[in-house]
Amino acid sequence: SQKIEQNSEALNIQEGKTATLTCNYTNYSPAYLQWYRQDPGRGPVFLLLIRENEKEKRKERLKVTFDTTLKQSLFHITASQPADSATYLCALAPPGGSQGNLIFGKGTKLSVKP
Amino acid sequence: DAGITQSPRHKVTETGTPVTLRCHQTENHRYMYWYRQDPGHGLRLIHYSYGVKDTDKGEVSDGYSVSRSKTEDFLLTLESATSSQTSVYFCAISIRQGSDTEAFFGQGTRLTVV
Repeated sequence: SQKIEQNSEALNIQEGKTATLTCNYTNYSPAYLQWYRQDPGRGPVFLLLIRENEKEKRKERLKVTFDTTLKQSLFHITASQPADSATYLCALAPPGGSQGNLIFGKGTKLSVKP
Repeated sequence: DAGITQSPRHKVTETGTPVTLRCHQTENHRYMYWYRQDPGHGLRLIHYSYGVKDTDKGEVSDGYSVSRSKTEDFLLTLESATSSQTSVYFCAISIRQGSDTEAFFGQGTRLTVV
């Protein structure tokens, strides 16, 4: 079965630096990969989606890359701010892009220190 | 929040009692999901629905049943609650935005089984 791993449970960085979070998967290449932000006591909030035929996608200070050879996605937050502190989740959609079984990683808790 | 409401938000129940959690959406979306989130496991799919009376099992469906008699409501039932079902439960809907798909989550229900 498909497995998804977010390498770090926690990441601490200084304000202004770039945060880089990693998501690795095994087995089949997903149709697309998503990144979500989750704050304590709240549900995840969608941030970005990248498809298997896309190498990179950007949105404001966020950048996502997708390397199907390495079976890895990297999520970057540039010029990080304390307000970026949260848990970030990656999620995979099965081949074909079905809206069915979206598989989530366990998340990486990012702390940005002033 | 894409018009998703979960009820109740918090519940404490005794082992062996039945419990039903409700997810209500106001925007007529076809796909609805129930996830549970536990420390060390992340978000795991329990069941999902792709239409009225159309449901399918997720990764951790044992001990849970669901029903969807109306588009707007997706109910999750624990027939006989156990302590291992203490968790935070999230309902989600899936929305196609152009060629992309996003999941929108409710605020969560914290269930404690004592």
